[in-house]
Amino acid sequence: IAGITQAPTSQILAAGRRMTLRCTQDMRHNAMYWYRQDLGLGLRLIHYSNTAGTTGKGEVPDGYSVSRANTDDFPLTLASAVPSQTSVYFCASSDSVENEQFFGPGTRLTVL
Amino acid sequence: GQNIDQPTEMTATEGAIVQINCTYQTSGFNGLFWYQQHAGEAPTFLSYNVLDGLEEKGRFSSFLSRSKGYSYLLLKELQMKDSASYLCAVRDSNYQLIWGAGTKLIIKP
Repeated sequence: IAGITQAPTSQILAAGRRMTLRCTQDMRHNAMYWYRQDLGLGLRLIHYSNTAGTTGKGEVPDGYSVSRANTDDFPLTLASAVPSQTSVYFCASSDSVENEQFFGPGTRLTVL
Repeated sequence: GQNIDQPTEMTATEGAIVQINCTYQTSGFNGLFWYQQHAGEAPTFLSYNVLDGLEEKGRFSSFLSRSKGYSYLLLKELQMKDSASYLCAVRDSNYQLIWGAGTKLIIKP
């Protein structure tokens, strides 16, 4: 692994189903982030974690949850998917909140 | 509210110079970032400004005026591979990044 990986690359999901998007980084970065990117809008922060064991809510947290049990992994869970959660999801990390963020390749999620 | 404004789309010619502007209104300011994003790919870091003035990095330069809430990204000697979206982001008082919608730059031969 080099950098940040995300899985799956893409997914089509029925509304009401539960889904976990995975994110793993091998840079030993303290901070990790989940964003969604929709056409015509800027990246919007869903949840973040400044260090392992802590998480916080971003701009659009409703319908999503996260956990940060260790430094490397930061999964994002949709408890009951809805069509408005159709988006491209990016995971990012930085060695501190003061430095630039590095992005994973993204997960394209379609909720029908 | 917090707001980042960038032009939606710009077109330029290979070999030329283009300036992409970004204006912002945020709750606090702790730096401004520019990222490049090719279609279907992840954003990648280009530049960071926290003090007023010009930061130069090869063919790319970024300028910041905090008093005017304004930044620009200057791309020189444009190449076809520079066709991408350019994202402006401001770090606010909570150290969270507020992102503009991005400027799609089209390079023509």
